[in-house]
Amino acid sequence: IAGITQAPTSQILAAGRRMTLRCTQDMRHNAMYWYRQDLGLGLRLIHYSNTAGTTGKGEVPDGYSVSRANTDDFPLTLASAVPSQTSVYFCASSDSYEAGELFFGEGSRLTVL
Amino acid sequence: GQNIDQPTEMTATEGAIVQINCTYQTSGFNGLFWYQQHAGEAPTFLSYNVLDGLEEKGRFSSFLSRSKGYSYLLLKELQMKDSASYLCAVRDRDYKLSFGAGTTVTVRA
Repeated sequence: IAGITQAPTSQILAAGRRMTLRCTQDMRHNAMYWYRQDLGLGLRLIHYSNTAGTTGKGEVPDGYSVSRANTDDFPLTLASAVPSQTSVYFCASSDSYEAGELFFGEGSRLTVL
Repeated sequence: GQNIDQPTEMTATEGAIVQINCTYQTSGFNGLFWYQQHAGEAPTFLSYNVLDGLEEKGRFSSFLSRSKGYSYLLLKELQMKDSASYLCAVRDRDYKLSFGAGTTVTVRA
C-alpha cells in the first residue's frame, strides 16, 4: 500500500540516549515534514524539507535534527533525548511545499524516561 | 506565526448537525485546512479553503471569512464514525502549516 511508513511504532528510551525515527514515503512527494503532537497543544512542526537536499526549521526544532539525502527518506534524530521529548511524532509529506494536503504516517510514540 | 483557536470538545447526537468554529491570526494567509483524526490514528485531510465562502463535500462543509479570520467545519447527518478530533490548520505566506489544538467531537446514539 502506497503511503508513508514510520518506524518504530513505539519506543521507550532512557534520557541521554540517541534515537532516530525513520520515515519513508513511496509517493515521490517533494516535501516532507516532522510534527510532534502533545495533548492540548496540537501538532507542532519540528523540521521540514521542501525538496531532497534541503531542510528547514519549524516551530520547535531544538534538540532535533533531520537529513534529506533522497526523495523518499526523512529521518528525525534526537541527539540526546530528554523527558520533554516524550510525544507522538508524525511524519508527513506533500506533493510540493505549496500543496496543502499533507499525507501523514501512523505516528511513532516515544517515551523518554 | 499563527494563533489558532478552536473549542476543545463538542458533543452531539447521531443524525444531528455540529459546527466547529476556528478563529486565527496569521502573518500572511495562504489557505485554511481541516483534518480529521480518529483516536490513535494519523490525521487525514478533509477540506481546503483559500477564498471566502462555503466548500461542500458530501456531509462535510467548510466556510471561510478571511476578513474575520474565521472558519467553520459543518458536519451534517452525524454518524458514530464521525467521533474524532477535528484539526483546523492555517498556512502562512511561507507555506508553513500550523495546527490548532483540535476539537474532539463525541457523537452519542
